[in-house]
Amino acid sequence: QSVLTQPPSVSGAPGQRVTVSCTGSSSNIGAAYDVQWYQQLPGTVPKLLIYGNSNRPSGVPDRFSGSKSGTSASLAITGLQAEDEADYYCQSYDSSLSAVVFGGGTKLTVL
Amino acid sequence: QVQLVQSGAEVKKPGASVKVSCKASGYTFTSYYMHWVRQAPGQGLEWMGIINPSGGSTSYAQKFQGRVTMTRDTSTSAVYMELSSLRSEDTAVYYCASPKRASGYSLDYWGQGTLVTVSS
Repeated sequence: QSVLTQPPSVSGAPGQRVTVSCTGSSSNIGAAYDVQWYQQLPGTVPKLLIYGNSNRPSGVPDRFSGSKSGTSASLAITGLQAEDEADYYCQSYDSSLSAVVFGGGTKLTVL
Repeated sequence: QVQLVQSGAEVKKPGASVKVSCKASGYTFTSYYMHWVRQAPGQGLEWMGIINPSGGSTSYAQKFQGRVTMTRDTSTSAVYMELSSLRSEDTAVYYCASPKRASGYSLDYWGQGTLVTVSS
């Protein structure tokens, strides 16, 4: 059972917009710790997609955006493309556990 | 450019220990903490702990307390993760990962991963 809760799967057609939610608590996201998002394409190493809740590292398309409100965060992907099919993980820090925590991951299927 | 290069795959018997290395290059080794994350087959990412390459201080996830030891060698810019009393559930790909910024917990750079297989 992950400290951060994500839906197991989401799907969308090419060109559509999808969102992935990440729900935490008052000891992690709600305590103002930043949320990061990672993309893991099949068989590859995780890649940082969003840091500091809403910042994109250099090279990440602006189709990807992050937001945070209260004890939750969201990753939005617009203009969905077949190459976006991957697992997506949210990550933050939990003060009660004194640990970095990950969500369980969400598998994005492009229909 | 920043590179994290890990040691090769390992096969271990239950009860044994494994030591995985991660050699960093392309930045000042002592400037950024190093994290260890693992991923069991078909499962999600699991944070194991962190080491400060500058002073060697560590912090481990509660789940691994007593079984994991993280160390560093500043002369070779390498960090090590040793996991003892291995069981089948420890079969996973183990990653080292480091941030690009001095603050926060983003993992910007990742090693290629080391597959550890625990089997009798």
